[in-house]
Amino acid sequence: QVQLVESGGGLVKPGGSLRLSCAASGFTFSDYYMSWIRQAPGKGLEWVSYISSSGSTIYYADSVKGRFTISRDNAKNSLYLQMNSLRAEDTAVYYCARTVRGRITGTTPPHYYYYMDVWGKGTTVTVSS
Amino acid sequence: SYVLTQPPSVSVAPGQTARITCGGNNIGSKSVHWYQQKPGQAPVLVVYDDSDRPSGIPERFSGSNSGNTATLTISRVEAGDEADYYCQVWDSSSDYVVFGGGTKLTVL
Repeated sequence: QVQLVESGGGLVKPGGSLRLSCAASGFTFSDYYMSWIRQAPGKGLEWVSYISSSGSTIYYADSVKGRFTISRDNAKNSLYLQMNSLRAEDTAVYYCARTVRGRITGTTPPHYYYYMDVWGKGTTVTVSS
Repeated sequence: SYVLTQPPSVSVAPGQTARITCGGNNIGSKSVHWYQQKPGQAPVLVVYDDSDRPSGIPERFSGSNSGNTATLTISRVEAGDEADYYCQVWDSSSDYVVFGGGTKLTVL
């Protein structure tokens, strides 16, 4: 069945680095956009980044721009998030999610929407000294 | 940046109808998606593109979107529907995925 499994979380000191991975199975990984979303303890969902199916289009939330790098390896059915210069406020559960792009009907030029239809169980990142 | 506003909490008795709103400037021109998240679990998509349901989601879950408000409606609420619900849109003007702050649904 369709499955996403995150790994790589852990405890890291402020200023440190961590690389998260997400292993996909049960679907054609290279056909889908993918996203990272995080959730700080007791807080809501916060989008972090997404990457197009080929890897040619990437967007980041302002809170991580310049510090985090999303990438993918379609041959390995894997998504990654390289996190550098980590801060206490980056402490969260990080989810990877399969992302669907749709076109809003009747729009010219075309306007698109994106939603996350499959989520992994998440991996916990704690930034603390 | 685009802001989505949800009520922090909604309470409803079993068997009644719950309506969770998501406010945003001219949100009716956007496509709205809804997620359910139970404690300790990952979010689950329950409505996409305003009113479509993924396979496996009960017909009790429905959505609408017009003007400045999108609404997730849960009919015949069950105890198992108790969860946090989040709305989400794509803001094309800033290339951003935006989530609402979430609404905690309590089944009395």
